[in-house]
Amino acid sequence: GESVGLHLPTLSVQEGDNSIINCAYSNSASDYFIWYKQESGKGPQFIIDIRSNMDKRQGQRVTVLLNKTVKHLSLQIAATQPGDSAVYFCAEKRGGYNKLIFGAGTRLAVHP
Amino acid sequence: NAGVTQTPKFRVLKTGQSMTLLCAQDMNHEYMYWYRQDPGMGLRLIHYSVGEGTTAKGEVPDGYNVSRLKKQNFLLGLESAAPSQTSVYFCASSPPREGANTGELFFGEGSRLTVL
Repeated sequence: GESVGLHLPTLSVQEGDNSIINCAYSNSASDYFIWYKQESGKGPQFIIDIRSNMDKRQGQRVTVLLNKTVKHLSLQIAATQPGDSAVYFCAEKRGGYNKLIFGAGTRLAVHP
Repeated sequence: NAGVTQTPKFRVLKTGQSMTLLCAQDMNHEYMYWYRQDPGMGLRLIHYSVGEGTTAKGEVPDGYNVSRLKKQNFLLGLESAAPSQTSVYFCASSPPREGANTGELFFGEGSRLTVL
């Protein structure tokens, strides 16, 4: 697979625990915030997004929280599974045409 | 379903050589993008296209050219490769939409380019 995250921060969790991945953003003008998952050797895959006028959105086993006061975004994964091991990126959508600005990523390692 | 297909998957070039990466999508998406991904960094947008015959610059366009002659294809060219262009390149596509899944791009599996 592709080694694209050699120096990424890593979050290690036990299987079954909840995971929280954090992201700080800089631009208050972004209208959507998005989380992507990238497994080794693959392209990023969309997980969930949240509009800037919301503070929480839930999906299947995932919750995204947005705190615009401190410009902070988090992804919560419930009952983390080995298949959740991947690099997670937050991204901001600014303006039209779905142009995204990506963060540096966080590696999630799930241990049995 | 093929989705987004990139060719080639791997390529090694010498400094100064030229090459073209091909991206093809079968989802009839209007928007297409080329990103590069370097170790420890997120993806950075090189160029994008909002429809057949149109292209625009992203965050890091220097040293690259693109063309979108057909809706389903988006080509990324390097006219004179430099070692700084060693990277993993990702193509993506998306439909224009607002509301649910607005930020959803569909990515290919990447093309690893090494410039010696």
